[in-house]
Amino acid sequence: AQSVTQPDIHITVSEGASLELRCNYSYGATPYLFWYVQSPGQGLQLLLKYFSGDTLVQGIKGFEAEFKRSQSSFNLRKPSVHWSDAAEYFCAVGVNTGGFKTIFGAGTRLFVKA
Amino acid sequence: EAGVTQFPSHSVIEKGQTVTLRCDPISGHDNLYWYRRVMGKEIKFLLHFVKESKQDESGMPNNRFLAERTGGTYSTLKVQPAELEDSGVYFCASSPRDNYNEQFFGPGTRLTVL
Repeated sequence: AQSVTQPDIHITVSEGASLELRCNYSYGATPYLFWYVQSPGQGLQLLLKYFSGDTLVQGIKGFEAEFKRSQSSFNLRKPSVHWSDAAEYFCAVGVNTGGFKTIFGAGTRLFVKA
Repeated sequence: EAGVTQFPSHSVIEKGQTVTLRCDPISGHDNLYWYRRVMGKEIKFLLHFVKESKQDESGMPNNRFLAERTGGTYSTLKVQPAELEDSGVYFCASSPRDNYNEQFFGPGTRLTVL
């Protein structure tokens, strides 16, 4: 069965520090992988996606993620965190079912301290 | 271009009552999806419409939930009768006809059942 694991429920980093959010997936075929962010009171915003090609993908707001097939991972990174990055981050895999659905991880809440 | 909109943004009802949530997808998007997040758990897929047809409704929790998309435009999700465990945030998303993977999410409806 398809699944997404985000092992960190919450992470606290200092403003200006680097960030890495972990994500592991389980899916038999070539995955469509996504990272979404939800800021307080907002909907889900797509940060970046991987379908094929270059395994290092760039997203909005200075985020990037690297697909590692051998590790079934798709970790999200940012070199320098800003206070406005405090939010909840969701890793997800897209699954073709005849239709299509997105399977989400449980989310990682990021806290940024001054 | 307007994004996906959902109405209401919040709903508070008592157990046993009926609630209807509405989603207006991005104009021209044939694909419409419902998801929900219950009690801080994962965001879970409910169903997928292609125009007015249900492509995949494998995530619908039980027959108290009824989704419709008459005319292939907006969609409604009715919960009748509502139970305490239905509390959570209900997200709608849409995507273009030939691009399942590019899902655009609405802000969600927060449902509280007392």
